[in-house]
Amino acid sequence: QSVLTQPPSVSAAPGQKVTISCSGSSSNIGNNYASWYQQLPGTAPKLLIYDDDNRPSGIPDRFSGSKSGTSATLGITGLQTGDEADYYCGTWDSSLSAVVFGGGTKLTVL
Amino acid sequence: QVQLRESGPGLVKPSETLSLTCAVSDYSISSGYYWGWIRQPPGKGLEWIGTLYHSGSTYYDPSLKSRVTVSVDTSKNQFSLKLTSVTAADTAVYYCARPMTATRHDAFDIWGQGTMVTVSS
Repeated sequence: QSVLTQPPSVSAAPGQKVTISCSGSSSNIGNNYASWYQQLPGTAPKLLIYDDDNRPSGIPDRFSGSKSGTSATLGITGLQTGDEADYYCGTWDSSLSAVVFGGGTKLTVL
Repeated sequence: QVQLRESGPGLVKPSETLSLTCAVSDYSISSGYYWGWIRQPPGKGLEWIGTLYHSGSTYYDPSLKSRVTVSVDTSKNQFSLKLTSVTAADTAVYYCARPMTATRHDAFDIWGQGTMVTVSS
């Protein structure tokens, strides 16, 4: 059981937009920055979004992040087949003094 | 470009100790940052194991704290993970990683390639 809650799967057609939610609490997302990772099959996770809504260098602006209260959201526009991957949210939990992750969301581009 | 590389046995017997090392290239561990271990059981999600600050302070996942030790060897510019009394539930791909900001525990932007560890007799 993950501290952060994500939907197990989402799907959309190529070219469309999809959002992935990440629900937490005041001890994690509510008072700490959220991050998002993309994990392609057989590879290490890749940081997509940090500090709620910032993209590391090299990440396309098709990827965006937002946060409201104790929930964070990853948005992906102009979906491509290459976006099919598992997506994870993460943050620091001040009560646990631990890094916590969501259970992951599998994105299918139909 | 900072690079991380995990190494260690791919097979560990139940009840024994899992030991992995993460070698760091192009950055001196003693200069800063938190250095972390994260694992991923087959077909499952990411699990944070623990983090070492460059000064030696450590932080561990509460559920693993009694079995985990993360330590640093600055002379070799590497940090290590030891997990005692392993069971099949500890079978996973183990990653070492570094956050993108020196003052943060999370937001890992540099990852090792991962090493698969199987616990089996």
